[in-house]
Amino acid sequence: ETGVTQSPTHLIKTRGQQVTLRCSSQSGHNTVSWYQQALGQGPQFIFQYYREEENGRGNFPPRFSGLQFPNYSSELNVNALELDDSALYLCASSLPGLEGEKLFFGSGTQLSVL
Amino acid sequence: QQQVKQSPQSLIVQKGGISIINCAYENTAFDYFPWYQQFPGKGPALLIAIRPDVSEKKEGRFTISFNKSAKQFSLHIMDSQPGDSATYFCAASLTTDSWGKLQFGAGTQVVVTP
Repeated sequence: ETGVTQSPTHLIKTRGQQVTLRCSSQSGHNTVSWYQQALGQGPQFIFQYYREEENGRGNFPPRFSGLQFPNYSSELNVNALELDDSALYLCASSLPGLEGEKLFFGSGTQLSVL
Repeated sequence: QQQVKQSPQSLIVQKGGISIINCAYENTAFDYFPWYQQFPGKGPALLIAIRPDVSEKKEGRFTISFNKSAKQFSLHIMDSQPGDSATYFCAASLTTDSWGKLQFGAGTQVVVTP
């Protein structure tokens, strides 16, 4: 059984650019949630995808968007990057059901915006 | 508005001692309260979780105490070991709304000295 994998592990962009982060969910998990973790803070919920549809969104602007593919992998896209977007971006997968609230996190993508 | 408040921000405990981390929440509808452990360079990993129908849950050296009337819950780490040195996050969610939408606290950095 493979865990949640994210790519790339590190990324440096400049303000105004666009970025795409990728996540492969744990085997059998059909739900992916994305979180932003600023330095020294707890993760903040961005949005969740379930069966390729957005299923809940946190307090993030529309320039944060996502996709989920038929194999349940997912992408997070951020347009018009701002300095405050510098953070660790975490992907978590889960399987709705008896223990659907259990999230399995990847190691994250560290994004630096200069 | 921060819906989950965590304290202390950091703590140092000697090997064999007890680490205690406290959290308070605002939304009385929350029905799932997990604790996550995060090591540097890694994503958070589920440690233990509780639902509001019980006041205490123990798994090995880790215990959650839950006080529904006070809207507070805490993590006790008994017989703390150097390998427990990590950042701990409490969280809360409303599983009937979105099972992957966790509200995290700001985290507590625990250092266990030999």
